[in-house]
Amino acid sequence: QVQLVESGGGVVQPGRSLRLSCAASGFTFSTYGMHWVRQAPGKGLEWVAIIWYDGSNKYYGDSVKGRFTISRDNSNNTLYLQMDSLRAEDTAVYYCARDKLRKYFDYWGQGTLVTVSS
Amino acid sequence: QSALTQPASVSGSPGQSITISCTGTSSDVGNYNLVSWYQQHPGKAPTLMIYEVIERPSGVSNRFSGSKSGNTASLTISGLQAEDEADYYCCSYAGRSTWVFGGGTKLTVL
Repeated sequence: QVQLVESGGGVVQPGRSLRLSCAASGFTFSTYGMHWVRQAPGKGLEWVAIIWYDGSNKYYGDSVKGRFTISRDNSNNTLYLQMDSLRAEDTAVYYCARDKLRKYFDYWGQGTLVTVSS
Repeated sequence: QSALTQPASVSGSPGQSITISCTGTSSDVGNYNLVSWYQQHPGKAPTLMIYEVIERPSGVSNRFSGSKSGNTASLTISGLQAEDEADYYCCSYAGRSTWVFGGGTKLTVL
């Protein structure tokens, strides 16, 4: 069955960097686009970024553009999110989600919590 | 990328039907038949309930249905059950490979 397992969350100071990972299994990772979606504590979902199945295209939400970078390693079935210049408002649970034909998100991981605080 | 508008909360008694609205603009909800709905129980990851406005994934109860009119999409849950109590989020493709979510609706089963 499809499994997505995020890791790499933690507490980080404002202005610092953090890299999240999402290990995928149960499907042919290299044939699916992947997303990151985040959820601030007690708040709603916010789309963060998408990467094409082959890594050829990447798109970002306005709030993270220029600071976050999505990437993937198809040989290791892993999705990444490099987060630089972190701000307090980036505090959230970060979910990776599988893309279905660039139409919707059909499977989600359990999320990893990122806390940006001094 | 402004968030879609959902009511903060709705409630209903077991067996009743409820509808959650999701209002966007002509740039997202009104322009694409790519509205999806997600259910999220406390402390859990979201799960897909409806996609492409009206389609239901296998395994999702037929008590869940979706629709759209103009810039507003809706999720209807019929025959409410206690396990339906959760947060519900709509999402729409917004063009240029971007997506936008609604603010979420807390469903309480009385």
